[in-house]
Parts: sequence; structure tokens; C-alpha cells
Amino acid sequence: GQQVMQIPQYQHVQEGEDFTTYCNSSTTLSNIQWYKQRPGGHPVFLIQLVKSGEVKKQKRLTFQFGEAKKNSSLHITATQTTDVGTYFCAGPGGAGGTSYGKLTFGQGTILTVHP
Amino acid sequence: DAGVIQSPRHEVTEMGQEVTLRCKPISGHDYLFWYRQTMMRGLELLIYFNNNVPIDDSGMPEDRFSAKMPNASFSTLKIQPSEPRDSAVYFCASSLVVRVGGYTFGSGTRLTVV
Repeated sequence: GQQVMQIPQYQHVQEGEDFTTYCNSSTTLSNIQWYKQRPGGHPVFLIQLVKSGEVKKQKRLTFQFGEAKKNSSLHITATQTTDVGTYFCAGPGGAGGTSYGKLTFGQGTILTVHP
Repeated sequence: DAGVIQSPRHEVTEMGQEVTLRCKPISGHDYLFWYRQTMMRGLELLIYFNNNVPIDDSGMPEDRFSAKMPNASFSTLKIQPSEPRDSAVYFCASSLVVRVGGYTFGSGTRLTVV
């Protein structure tokens, strides 16, 4: 079935440093979503990317969707302690990466920020 | 909107007992999902419903697990009998497929089977 691989598994940064997590799929995705889960919390939807080469920004967060729609990245500029948590990418779980209804989540990147 | 509501928040039960987890999705959402989260396996999709109909239950671990959605505002996930390896956080999520809004997750039920 559809899988999305996410790296790195862990990332420790000093407050103020940048952070990037990467998501890769073996098949073309119709869209990709990103979620954040705070420690002890539940995943919260951040954004969805649909177009090839799309770049979206949310304050210090920059999301990219690859030209081939097989990879994506989340970049955080100048991390803050409030950025702590696990960041997940998720792609459609149907054959060919097209089924919107079902999402397959990556393993997530756990971000810790040292003040 | 109160969001996706799950109950109970925490459940501790003895091996062999029946466990029922409950979920109320966001009103108007067409899809409901049950996920299980563990450190080892991450977020696993167990089953999902569209308009109250189960669409894909291939993620349900075994026959001890069952899920129902008797109406648009309520779903249950039942484990009978429970085993220690079922210990995990179980999330319910809902979504409205036509919107670009992703899933809305509930706060989860932390299940511990001793």
C-alpha cells in the first residue's frame, strides 16, 4: 500500500535555529497534508499542498511540494520553544495516491527545542 | 463547534475485559476515522467510514476489534477481549471531503490493558 517516509526521526535544535523535515513517497501523490502533535496532544492539521512545486507559508513555517509530487518538506525558521512537538506528513492512502478519504501518515519527526 | 469528542479520555482495564471507545464527529463531516498510535508503529489507520458505512477495515488488527457507526453523530470501537498489546492511544478523526481542511482529530483515548 501507499507509504510515506519521513526523515529525520528526531531533531534537537537550539532555540533560534532552523529546522527541516522531509517526506518522501514512492508514488505520485494527489496532495499532501502536514500535521503537528504537541506532547500529550492530538494531531492538528496545518496545511494541504496540491499543486506541483507549490510553496506555502504560515508565519515561520514554509511548506513545499516537489515538482514530481513525490516529496514534500516543512521548514521552520528561527525555532521557538512553542514549536516543540511531532510533525507528520500524510498522503492519500488509495492506489496511486489519489484517495482523498484515507490518509497514510508518515512516522513523524520529533522536534525538541532547547531554550 | 465542539470539535471531535472522544470518551473516555483514559481507560485502564484488565486483560480479557471488553473495552468500548466512543466518538462524536463534527456535525456534517462525511468521513470518520479510527487511528491507533504507539511509539513502535506510529499512527495506524484501523477503519474508516463514509456516510456511516465502513469503507476500509483492513487495518483492524484482528477479530477482537470491531467498529460501528449507527448514525452520523456517533461511532464506537470495541475490543473484546482486550490484551496488553492493545495498549495505545486511540484517536477518532472526522473530515468533510469537499473542503481543503484535512482531518480534525479528537483528543484521544489512552488505553492501558494490564
